[in-house]
Amino acid sequence: SQQGEEDPQALSIQEGENATMNCSYKTSINNLQWYRQNSGRGLVHLILIRSNEREKHSGRLRVTLDTSKKSSSLLITASRAADTASYFCATDPGNTGKLIFGQGTTLQVKP
Amino acid sequence: EPEVTQTPSHQVTQMGQEVILRCVPISNHLYFYWYRQILGQKVEFLVSFYNNEISEKSEIFDDQFSVERPDGSNFTLKIRSTKLEDSAMYFCASGQGDSNQPQHFGDGTRLSIL
Repeated sequence: SQQGEEDPQALSIQEGENATMNCSYKTSINNLQWYRQNSGRGLVHLILIRSNEREKHSGRLRVTLDTSKKSSSLLITASRAADTASYFCATDPGNTGKLIFGQGTTLQVKP
Repeated sequence: EPEVTQTPSHQVTQMGQEVILRCVPISNHLYFYWYRQILGQKVEFLVSFYNNEISEKSEIFDDQFSVERPDGSNFTLKIRSTKLEDSAMYFCASGQGDSNQPQHFGDGTRLSIL
C-alpha cells in the first residue's frame, strides 16, 4: 500500500499567493514530516508535526494534521519565486528511521 | 550549519561495473541511511545503518548492494554489478536516531548506467 500520497501533483501560482498541498497516509504514525527538494538538490527538512499536534507553524509555513482522516496539509503563505520546488511528506510508521515518502507536489511560483 | 556531503555529484558507469558512492554524514550523528530516487518517481528507502551494521533494508537492497563505514567519517554504498535500472539519484542521510528528529540529506549522486 502507498504511504504518503500528496495532491495536487503539480501546482502553479503567482508570487504572493498562498499554496496548499495535501498528504494522505495509511498506517498509524508517530509524526509526519515535510521536506522540500529544489531541482537537482537534496531534501531539506521543513517541519515535523507529532501525532498529538493538530497544527504547527514555522515562519510562512503552516502544517495541519488530522489523524482521524490520516491526512496532513502544508500551507505556504505569501509565496515567493524561491519557494519553487517539490514538496514531500514523509512518515516513519515503524519508528525505525525508515522514511516513507509520498510522490510529492511540484510547486511553481511565478514572479 | 553542518551538512551531509556526497561525492561524486555525477557518476557515469558501464553496465556490469562496480560503483562506490561516498557520503560524509554529520559528525555527531550515529544513524545513516541511503535512499534513491528514480527520475520522476518518489524517494525510496534503501538501507539504514547503525553501530557498524545494517539496521533495516528494503527489498530493493539485494545482494548486489552493500554499505560500509570504512573509517570514522565516510559512509559508502557499493553496487557490485550495475544494471540499467540502477540509474537514479542516490541520497545519503544521517540522523540522531530519534524518530522525532529530522534526517539530514546530502545533495545526492546522480548515477547513470550506460
